[in-house]
Amino acid sequence: QVQLQESGPGLVKPSQTLSLTCTVSGGSISSGIYYWSWIRQHPGKGLEWIGYIHYSGSTYYNPSLRSRVTISVNTSMNQFSLKLSSVTAADTAVYYCARILGGSGKFDYWGQGTLVTVPS
Amino acid sequence: SYELTQPPSVSVSPGQTASITCSGDKLGDKYVCWYQQKPGQSPVLVIYEDTKRPSGIPERFSGSNSGNITTLTISGTQVMDEADYYCQAWDSTSVVFGGGTKLAVL
Repeated sequence: QVQLQESGPGLVKPSQTLSLTCTVSGGSISSGIYYWSWIRQHPGKGLEWIGYIHYSGSTYYNPSLRSRVTISVNTSMNQFSLKLSSVTAADTAVYYCARILGGSGKFDYWGQGTLVTVPS
Repeated sequence: SYELTQPPSVSVSPGQTASITCSGDKLGDKYVCWYQQKPGQSPVLVIYEDTKRPSGIPERFSGSNSGNITTLTISGTQVMDEADYYCQAWDSTSVVFGGGTKLAVL
């Protein structure tokens, strides 16, 4: 059973960089048919796709966040990471990592989510 | 940018059929997924590739996708189905979620 677990600071100061890591267990991040994604959910709001990465390093980002987002992968640790720069209170959200199957586009496994707060 | 539109809320009586729509330009040309999210929990995939149910999802959940509209149908809705539902479309370079629909079972 594949499991994903987010980790990282729960509080980030304005203008700093938010950094989160997702650790994948029960399956290899190097499986070529999957992409590894970050999604966020503002308090009481809907889901917002941030971006995803293939183990080969190919990345795809939400155009609205592209200028501030970097997603990277560490195949040796079976992890992938998110960096979001120049954060403001508007970046306060629950951040999820998830696996997406290429060709289908389904997010079949999700992490439990981690709340990141940026004080105003 | 591509957008998916869902009604903010849908109400249904227990045992009746609930239909939640999601609209987008030429949505029928894309694969669509549906997710169920209960308070404090991560989303759960309930429909993928327009009409398929993952293992463990009850048969009362079904989907359709044609033209500009995709529909999630819950037959014989149960109180446990009360949740937020999100549609999602994907192409090879991007993902889009609908704004979500709160399903009230009352």
